[in-house]
Amino acid sequence: RKEVEQDPGPFNVPEGATVAFNCTYSNSASQSFFWYRQDCRKEPKLLMSVYSSGNEDGRFTAQLNRASQYISLLIRDSKLSDSATYLCVVNLLVFGAGTILRVKS
Amino acid sequence: DTEVTQTPKHLVMGMTNKKSLKCEQHMGHRAMYWYKQKAKKPPELMFVYSYEKLSINESVPSRFSPECPNSSLLNLHLHALQPEDSALYLCASSPNEGGRRGYEQYFGPGTRLTVT
Repeated sequence: RKEVEQDPGPFNVPEGATVAFNCTYSNSASQSFFWYRQDCRKEPKLLMSVYSSGNEDGRFTAQLNRASQYISLLIRDSKLSDSATYLCVVNLLVFGAGTILRVKS
Repeated sequence: DTEVTQTPKHLVMGMTNKKSLKCEQHMGHRAMYWYKQKAKKPPELMFVYSYEKLSINESVPSRFSPECPNSSLLNLHLHALQPEDSALYLCASSPNEGGRRGYEQYFGPGTRLTVT
């Protein structure tokens, strides 16, 4: 089993849709969790840290479920500019393979 | 300011060349990282420096040689590379190696390396 697993997608959604991604991790002792977005041929950019209590930043909400060992990212009211690859990162250094999101008009 | 800079942006080198990649951050971060990223794959950790000392080497071939001259600079020296080493090389920094809340990594724009 991989340390961090993500559904590679692609998720094709219309503008304005709500979309959610999950990321599962195998190490129950994991301490830190992050979501990054990466545009084609660019560097990963930090989107959100994921806290135990969950956190929200505008249209983006991140949740942590320690019992089931997964984190989630919810994007509401999707914009064309949200099209990217979303990378889940555990313990700062362990990257998931990424989930591709394509938002279409 | 959460800026990490990398030079050069692009590099083409032959298999017998020696070149260096440079990375700089002025955020006072004490941990710096080198990653390699192939197309359609996630970044793959190569090295971690913590307080200017090498703390993690992910079994990287010796043709890649990292150097941390001071807390703001990180170099990656390249020698006798192979065509399969062609990739995007990303530098990142974080306040600390710990990876705890508030210790997120920030990435530079990368150097796109082609080995011919």
